[in-house]
Amino acid sequence: QVQLQESGPGLVKPSETLSLTCTVSGGSISSYYWSWIRQPPGKGLEWIGYIYYSGSTNYNPSLKSRVTISVDTSKNQFSLKLSSVTAADTAVYYCARDLAPSAVAREGSWFDPWGQGTLVTVSS
Amino acid sequence: QSVLTQPPSASGTPGQRVTISCSGSSSNIGSNTVNWYQQLPGTAPKLLIYSNNQRPSGVPDRFSGSKSGTSASLAISGLQSEDEADYYCAAWDDSLNGPLFGGGTKLTVL
Repeated sequence: QVQLQESGPGLVKPSETLSLTCTVSGGSISSYYWSWIRQPPGKGLEWIGYIYYSGSTNYNPSLKSRVTISVDTSKNQFSLKLSSVTAADTAVYYCARDLAPSAVAREGSWFDPWGQGTLVTVSS
Repeated sequence: QSVLTQPPSASGTPGQRVTISCSGSSSNIGSNTVNWYQQLPGTAPKLLIYSNNQRPSGVPDRFSGSKSGTSASLAISGLQSEDEADYYCAAWDDSLNGPLFGGGTKLTVL
């Protein structure tokens, strides 16, 4: 079955750019949407954005100015870049497959499966 | 940012039936379906219910979901100790143009 694995630095300095990659195994990245979601320590979940395998994206408006999600179908990977980070960006970052009941609309979408998550700490 | 409201905590004894509520608005639950996730301690969230009341393969039928108007509920019957976890509701929000999560409910099995 499809498995996802996040990778990237666990420590990022304030004002720098957080970069993470999600590697998809056990299936193709093609024909699906893929999302990034984060969870600050002890807090709830926040959707960051999604990308379609073709490259089209949609971001959370609260993060849109700082977020870039890209895809590399040849490597079966998609990536997250979050610029100008602060301590408020310290969180466990998850990647997930983004499914929906309709092939043409995202409303009602759900996440399955999820990666195990990776903790990124923003600190000097 | 959560505009899906969940009680912060819930509890029950083994064998009991518990419900967790999720309250939203016309721009999310009122016009879109609801999903539920279970997060066991120290692990990633796992899909529990999708499209209001559908269970993915492998999820026991002790878990059920429902939706009415701008609110949704997750019910767990025959509560077991391994059900102790955080539970999150989620729904697409038309204003956000993306999915929105509830704040989460910590379920304790007494």
